[in-house]
Amino acid sequence: SQTIHQWPATLVQPVGSPLSLECTVEGTSNPNLYWYRQAAGRGLQLLFYSVGIGQISSEVPQNLSASRPQDRQFILSSKKLLLSDSGFYLCAHTSRRSPYGYTFGSGTRLTVV
Amino acid sequence: GQQVMQIPQYQHVQEGEDFTTYCNSSTTLSNIQWYKQRPGGHPVFLIQLVKSGEVKKQKRLTFQFGEAKKNSSLHITATQTTDVGTYFCAGDSGGSNYKLTFGKGTLLTVNP
Repeated sequence: SQTIHQWPATLVQPVGSPLSLECTVEGTSNPNLYWYRQAAGRGLQLLFYSVGIGQISSEVPQNLSASRPQDRQFILSSKKLLLSDSGFYLCAHTSRRSPYGYTFGSGTRLTVV
Repeated sequence: GQQVMQIPQYQHVQEGEDFTTYCNSSTTLSNIQWYKQRPGGHPVFLIQLVKSGEVKKQKRLTFQFGEAKKNSSLHITATQTTDVGTYFCAGDSGGSNYKLTFGKGTLLTVNP
C-alpha cells in the first residue's frame, strides 16, 4: 500500500534561521508530489509541485524553495525564515491512477518566532 | 488563474440535522474532489466526480457535480458528531500535473 511520511510534526524556529522539511512516499513509483501550506487552519495554498526527479514548479513567489533529489523524496527549504512563513505544511502525492485523489502526509506545524 | 469558491465558511448544526456545502469554480473542471479534515489532522480524500451531472453517495453523504462541470455540492443527511471537521472541494482543470485548486473549506460543527 502507498504511504507518505512527513517530518517533523512540529517545529519552532527563530526568524532568519534555515528550514528543511522532508517528505517521502512508499509503495508507488514516479508519483506527482506537492507541497501545500495551510494558514490559520483553513485554506490550502499550493506552493510547489513536481512531476519527476529534479522537476519543480513554483506556484507562489516567496521565501521558500523545493527540491526532489530522488523519485519519492520531496524537500521544502528556506535559507532564512520570516514570521509570515508560519503555518501548517502539508506534503501530498497522487499516483496518476484513477481516482486521482491526493494522499496527504500528517503535516508539519511550523511556528516562526 | 483558476479560483474555487466554497460556501458557507462555517456551519453549526444540531445532531440529526442536514448539512450542505457548495463549491463553484471560475473555470470548467476536468474533475472535482472532496476532502475532509478533522480538527488537528490532515485532509483525507473522500471522492472524485468526473462526469457532468454525476451524483455519488457514500452512506449519508451525497456528492453532486454540476452539468456545466463548474459547481459541486456535498450534502450530509442526519449529521452525527463524527461528521465534525472542515470539508474542502478541490478542482482539477486537467493536465498531467493533476494540480488541484482547493476551496477555503466549510467548517462543520455538530452540537450533540
